[in-house]
Amino acid sequence: AAGVIQSPRHLIKEKRETATLKCYPIPRHDTVYWYQQGPGQDPQFLISFYEKMQSDKGSIPDRFSAQQFSDYHSELNMSSLELGDSALYFCASSPMGATDTQYFGPGTRLTVL
Amino acid sequence: AQTVTQSQPEMSVQEAETVTLSCTYDTSESNYYLFWYKQPPSRQMILVIRQEAYKQQNATENRFSVNFQKAAKSFSLKISDSQLGDTAMYFCAFTLNAGGTSYGKLTFGQGTILTVHP
Repeated sequence: AAGVIQSPRHLIKEKRETATLKCYPIPRHDTVYWYQQGPGQDPQFLISFYEKMQSDKGSIPDRFSAQQFSDYHSELNMSSLELGDSALYFCASSPMGATDTQYFGPGTRLTVL
Repeated sequence: AQTVTQSQPEMSVQEAETVTLSCTYDTSESNYYLFWYKQPPSRQMILVIRQEAYKQQNATENRFSVNFQKAAKSFSLKISDSQLGDTAMYFCAFTLNAGGTSYGKLTFGQGTILTVHP
């Protein structure tokens, strides 16, 4: 079965640089969620999109922005990167009409040096 | 705001034995979903089991079952016949249900590291 695809899987950036993380949901899933998991922590909700519109927002820094495109893929843009942004970033998707269950991608490990 | 608490930072069990992981949550809502996710060393988040709050029957998935006590706001996970591959971090998670299309974010507990010993 198809799964959520995230790219890149690993990313190394310098402080103050920008990064773009991409997420391709499972086919026929129209809702996308982004989570950030710091070392030894539980995942924290950042932002979600339903039918290309932002549906909910969590503790996402103003330096971060995201959008969902017409093909339902989503991108998380991160600017002015800080050391504290080093984390595992998960994308999850939910099927149309059944947004109660989220399926997670493998994550993108971002390291900021 | 909803909160999820896992009071057991670490648990261990012998292979083939049974172990129970605890989770409590706090919400003023009556319609919600609860989940257990498994995160092995690969860091992939894998859905283990799902419980709908309006269903009194406890969910089961093969060796995994839950004990859902709505009044007590408790949601424990029982793993029977533990296997070495069950070694992982286990997260309890909560989301609200807004009429079937919740667009809901997941709120996670702190996690419990489970080690299965041969």
